[in-house]
Amino acid sequence: AQTVTQSQPEMSVQEAETVTLSCTYDTSENNYYLFWYKQPPSRQMILVIRQEAYKQQNATENRFSVNFQKAAKSFSLKISDSQLGDTAMYFCACHAQGGSEKLVFGKGTKLTVNP
Amino acid sequence: GAGVSQTPSNKVTEKGKYVELRCDPISGHTALYWYRQSLGQGPEFLIYFQGTGAADDSGLPNDRFFAVRPEGSVSTLKIQRTERGDSAVYLCASSLIRSTEAFFGQGTRLTVV
Repeated sequence: AQTVTQSQPEMSVQEAETVTLSCTYDTSENNYYLFWYKQPPSRQMILVIRQEAYKQQNATENRFSVNFQKAAKSFSLKISDSQLGDTAMYFCACHAQGGSEKLVFGKGTKLTVNP
Repeated sequence: GAGVSQTPSNKVTEKGKYVELRCDPISGHTALYWYRQSLGQGPEFLIYFQGTGAADDSGLPNDRFFAVRPEGSVSTLKIQRTERGDSAVYLCASSLIRSTEAFFGQGTRLTVV
């Protein structure tokens, strides 16, 4: 079984500053993927960034990067140069290979970017 | 289509009624997922289709919930004898088989009154 924990229900940041969202996970599988999804008020889940567990190098996508600590089962998201459009719910998720193809999500962090 | 389409966008129904929620996946995506997102929670897995068959329905909460995908494209989630606790956003996602990138629709907000 997999679990994903996001311990920050809400975060806020000033425009142009950097913010880090925390996530811890647990899985018994050796091969798995970790994701951060953004959910704006439109409700559509949008993939922000993906990390393959067998890769040691942290994934980056423009202003978004992760700090993947496999031994600690930690997967945090760093947003640099925050923009007003980054305001949304952010969900951490885990997908284990070899088992069910489902994503297991955390409860989410509500991020507000202030002008 | 260009993206995953879900209809209706919003549905209000009375307790005890039957509802159907529709999902139109991205053309060519053989994998299709249904998730339920209750207020203040992350999405929770309901069912996963590979083609026409349900490969994993372990997330369906009880026998009032059923989903079909008869031709391997459009899927319908069916809820019988709705209860107030069924109120949630129902999200559909699709992907290429064995791909880890799932594309989500905008969901159907179901309200049972």
